[in-house]
Amino acid sequence: GDSVTQMEGPVTLSEEAFLTINCTYTATGYPSLFWYVQYPGEGLQLLLKATKADDKGSNKGFEATYRKETTSFHLEKGSVQVSDSAVYFCALNPRSGSARQLTFGSGTQLTVLP
Amino acid sequence: EAGVTQFPSHSVIEKGQTVTLRCDPISGHDNLYWYRRVMGKEIKFLLHFVKESKQDESGMPNNRFLAERTGGTYSTLKVQPAELEDSGVYFCASSGGGAGNEQFFGPGTRLTVL
Repeated sequence: GDSVTQMEGPVTLSEEAFLTINCTYTATGYPSLFWYVQYPGEGLQLLLKATKADDKGSNKGFEATYRKETTSFHLEKGSVQVSDSAVYFCALNPRSGSARQLTFGSGTQLTVLP
Repeated sequence: EAGVTQFPSHSVIEKGQTVTLRCDPISGHDNLYWYRRVMGKEIKFLLHFVKESKQDESGMPNNRFLAERTGGTYSTLKVQPAELEDSGVYFCASSGGGAGNEQFFGPGTRLTVL
């Protein structure tokens, strides 16, 4: 079945450091890929998405590129801020654009220190 | 426009008791999903409603869990009787079919079974 493997945390960085959170997936067909973020005390928010191979999703300085050849969707940010401290989840929809359930990774807790 | 809301935000019950979680989706969204995150692991799908019908309940762990969506508006998830392993955060999401069926998540209900 479909699965998402996400870099285990927790991850602690200093402000302005470079961030990479690895995500790889297994899926049949043509999935859409997502990064969701959960800030303390809040619900899950969509951070960015990509619907087909080689697409790059970006938002709030975060980027991730849909790499079909390596089945990866790694999240990157060039300079993290304290306000980026949150839990990050990689997810896929097995059929792009469909009303199907999402498959999530285990989440990565990021703490950014001033 | 109001987002997805969930009630209660926290619930602490004893093993064997009954708990009912409620989710109010974004108005007009036909798709409603329940997910669960247990013990800091991945977020797992429980079930999917389309309007008042259960489209997919393959993720429901056992018959102690009962979900309803009367009238196709809000949904309830009842756990009866609750067991220790039911502890976790229960998320609800809704989607309206547009913009690639993006799912919008609520803040979650944290359930603790003692």
